[in-house]
Amino acid sequence: QKEVEQNSGPLSVPEGAIASLNCTYSDRVSQSFFWYRQYSGKSPELIMSIYSNGDKEDGRFTAQLNKASQYVSLLIRDSQPSDSATYLCAVSLYNNNDMRFGAGTRLTVKP
Amino acid sequence: EAQVTQNPRYLITVTGKKLTVTCSQNMNHEYMSWYRQDPGLGLRQIYYSMNVEATDKGDVPEGYKVSRKEKRNFPLILESPSPNQTSLYFCASSSLTSSGEQFFGPGTRLTVL
Repeated sequence: QKEVEQNSGPLSVPEGAIASLNCTYSDRVSQSFFWYRQYSGKSPELIMSIYSNGDKEDGRFTAQLNKASQYVSLLIRDSQPSDSATYLCAVSLYNNNDMRFGAGTRLTVKP
Repeated sequence: EAQVTQNPRYLITVTGKKLTVTCSQNMNHEYMSWYRQDPGLGLRQIYYSMNVEATDKGDVPEGYKVSRKEKRNFPLILESPSPNQTSLYFCASSSLTSSGEQFFGPGTRLTVL
């Protein structure tokens, strides 16, 4: 079983729609959760971090965490073509040296 | 400008020819790490360093070496590259007192023939 699992996609949504990206993790004691965005040929960049159960909103992005279900998600409202990228879910136990990444979900937003 | 730099950005080499990929950060970060990214496998950690002269293996260390003689630099060394090391490599750094955000370099695309 992979430590961090994501649907590889591709996930395709029309412009203006809500894109929903999901991630599950296997280590129940994980403490920190991150969503990175990676454009083709570029390096990952952090877009959201979440540490406690519930929702965290930042502009058009909402991260949701459910530790009991070992599930973290990212919602992108009013999706734009510029949101087309691969989204990486990352999970960490305590600090940086044990961060685990999922394989990523490729999102395409169609105009 | 706060950044992580890597050199070279692209490299084509042949089996067995030693190479070094440099990584440097200007944010005074304690933590630095090397990842490789392959299609369908995501980012896999090769080596990491918690500070100067403190390095440790990640998930896929075979065939790689690292050193951390200065806080800002963390070179990745391939003593005898093989074709299965053809990949996209990223260096990352972060502060151990931060929320955990890792800053990534631009990547090095390596092809071993």
